[in-house]
Amino acid sequence: DVKVTQSSRYLVKRTGEKVFLECVQDMDHENMFWYRQDPGLGLRLIYFSYDVKMKEKGDIPEGYSVSREKKERFSLILESASTNQTSMYLCASSTRGLNTEAFFGQGTRLTVV
Amino acid sequence: QKEVEQNSGPLSVPEGAIASLNCTYSDRGSQSFFWYRQYSGKSPELIMFIYSNGDKEDGRFTAQLNKASQYVSLLIRDSQPSDSATYLCAVNPLTGGGNKLTFGTGTQLKVEL
Repeated sequence: DVKVTQSSRYLVKRTGEKVFLECVQDMDHENMFWYRQDPGLGLRLIYFSYDVKMKEKGDIPEGYSVSREKKERFSLILESASTNQTSMYLCASSTRGLNTEAFFGQGTRLTVV
Repeated sequence: QKEVEQNSGPLSVPEGAIASLNCTYSDRGSQSFFWYRQYSGKSPELIMFIYSNGDKEDGRFTAQLNKASQYVSLLIRDSQPSDSATYLCAVNPLTGGGNKLTFGTGTQLKVEL
């Protein structure tokens, strides 16, 4: 059974804190993604990685950074959390190619107070 | 102009009817197109993908693609209450490394008894 696991389901952090969201996949996928999902805005790509140590900015990278030191793990870092980063964060992974399915983790609902 | 556009709905159909969900995209170079279903509080899961013009059928679901019109649709035959969910259209724009899916905001479908 394919699996993408996010470290936390719910997280509450204070403004200004450094926040780490972790994602692990067990399918040996090359690609990994971080999205955030907000009502009325859909899924927006923050960053993605197509190989270890490789990353590309998505549509909304400001205020975020990522780390991929191992193939199976992709971390999203909020350098200094702000209230406008309160959202549902979804990690996904896929193999390379045009028609490959992206598998999603269960999501992390982050609240910044 | 948004890269992938969907009517947010809600789209209400009676049980047993055909539900028609539509999506337009702006990048003419897009190669593959995906439909995901997302139940409330859950992660998106793939229903089907399509990359050739025409129709592709899988059980009660039919995806239709018209690249000239930059239009992709999903038909759900014999709609069931369990089909009530948000349907996300995603497009692979084939830019950069890996396949970087861009999502629409989703259409909420309600199947009424």
